[in-house]
Amino acid sequence: DTEVTQTPKHLVMGMTNKKSLKCEQHMGHRAMYWYKQKAKKPPELMFVYSYEKLSINESVPSRFSPECPNSSLLNLHLHALQPEDSALYLCASGGPTRGYQPQHFGDGTRLSIL
Amino acid sequence: DAKTTQPTSMDCAEGRAANLPCNHSTISGNEYVYWYRQIHSQGPQYIIHGLKNNETNEMASLIITEDRKSSTLILPHATLRDTAVYYCIVRVPDDYKLSFGAGTTVTVRA
Repeated sequence: DTEVTQTPKHLVMGMTNKKSLKCEQHMGHRAMYWYKQKAKKPPELMFVYSYEKLSINESVPSRFSPECPNSSLLNLHLHALQPEDSALYLCASGGPTRGYQPQHFGDGTRLSIL
Repeated sequence: DAKTTQPTSMDCAEGRAANLPCNHSTISGNEYVYWYRQIHSQGPQYIIHGLKNNETNEMASLIITEDRKSSTLILPHATLRDTAVYYCIVRVPDDYKLSFGAGTTVTVRA
């Protein structure tokens, strides 16, 4: 069991759809992250939120829109995605972004774009 | 640029200790060594981290050489459920990101 919960576990959507991925943590962490993982590749960072403010955007296309409504929740809004965006999307949380505390990951949302 | 070098794959016998090496010859004085693993269809799982001293927790032990240029993750009694990709990552406290390399695919065999 992980302490970071992601929903849904699987999502299939068309290129014109709008959907959202959700992430929740109750460990009191003030940093939350979105990573993208393509098949047989390591995870790659997309966004970092620190104290509910977006602090890092790793040059992610605007069709991905993150949101942090409060310290426990992180959303990733999806619109007009492309087939190459099919991947496992991982949420993580951790201590302050600048510190040695480890990040803890959810089990991800497996996204398929038709 | 990869900061760590790990073997691509390794096999271990169930019930035996699994020793996973990682080379980080360019590590700087304030970089920590982190180990994660990713079991198929799950997210990465934090295992252990350390700076200089050897560390042990309920999952594994981390042995860091005195010059800090390499480390070994030890799973004391490997089980079939330890089959996973194991990632060795070095990170300075000021760095917000975890930079995953290719990792080592560990297969535990009965």
